Amino acid sequence: ETGVTQTPRHLVMGMTNKKSLKCEQHLGHNAMYWYKQSAKKPLELMFVYSLEERVENNSVPSRFSPECPNSSHLFLHLHTLQPEDSALYLCASSPAGSSYEQYFGPGTRLTVT
Amino acid sequence: GQSLEQPSEVTAVEGAIVQINCTYQTSGFYGLSWYQQHDGGAPTFLSYNALDGLEETGRFSSFLSRSDSYGYLLLQELQMKDSASYFCAVISSIRQGGKLIFGQGTELSVKP
Repeated sequence: ETGVTQTPRHLVMGMTNKKSLKCEQHLGHNAMYWYKQSAKKPLELMFVYSLEERVENNSVPSRFSPECPNSSHLFLHLHTLQPEDSALYLCASSPAGSSYEQYFGPGTRLTVT
Repeated sequence: GQSLEQPSEVTAVEGAIVQINCTYQTSGFYGLSWYQQHDGGAPTFLSYNALDGLEETGRFSSFLSRSDSYGYLLLQELQMKDSASYFCAVISSIRQGGKLIFGQGTELSVKP
């Protein structure tokens, strides 16, 4: 149990759907991250929030839209996705000054049909 | 560009010692972390080196040489449960929130 939860664990959506991924951390951290993990590829950093402010947007297409309403919750809103967006989406958290030690959630396995 | 290189696969037997190397080329460098990920699981933090030298945590040790842009993870007294993917990751920015750049991962198979 890592203290970071993600819902849903699995999601299948069509290219015209809109859905949201949710992440919640119970560790008292104030930085949160979204990563994409595709088969045979490194984890790709998508977004970083520190103290609820977005500090990194790693050239991610606008069909992915993050939201961080408070330091414990992070969302990733999805719309008009492409099949190549199918991947494992991982959320992580850390103290703002300790990004080297991140705590990951179990991920959402997304399939775009 | 930014790149981290590590072997894609390593195989070893129970009780043995294995070393997983990582070389990096990044625009910024503030430290090297190692993570373990079992199949279907979340990555979990193993160790971090900000300075040159060896850090030991139980059966796992991690080494860094900043002048050589090189580090390694050493796993001793291998157990079957150590079969997993191991990722090195560079801290490329220390501004609030930081930025971790991950390597491709090394899949370790431990045989009886």
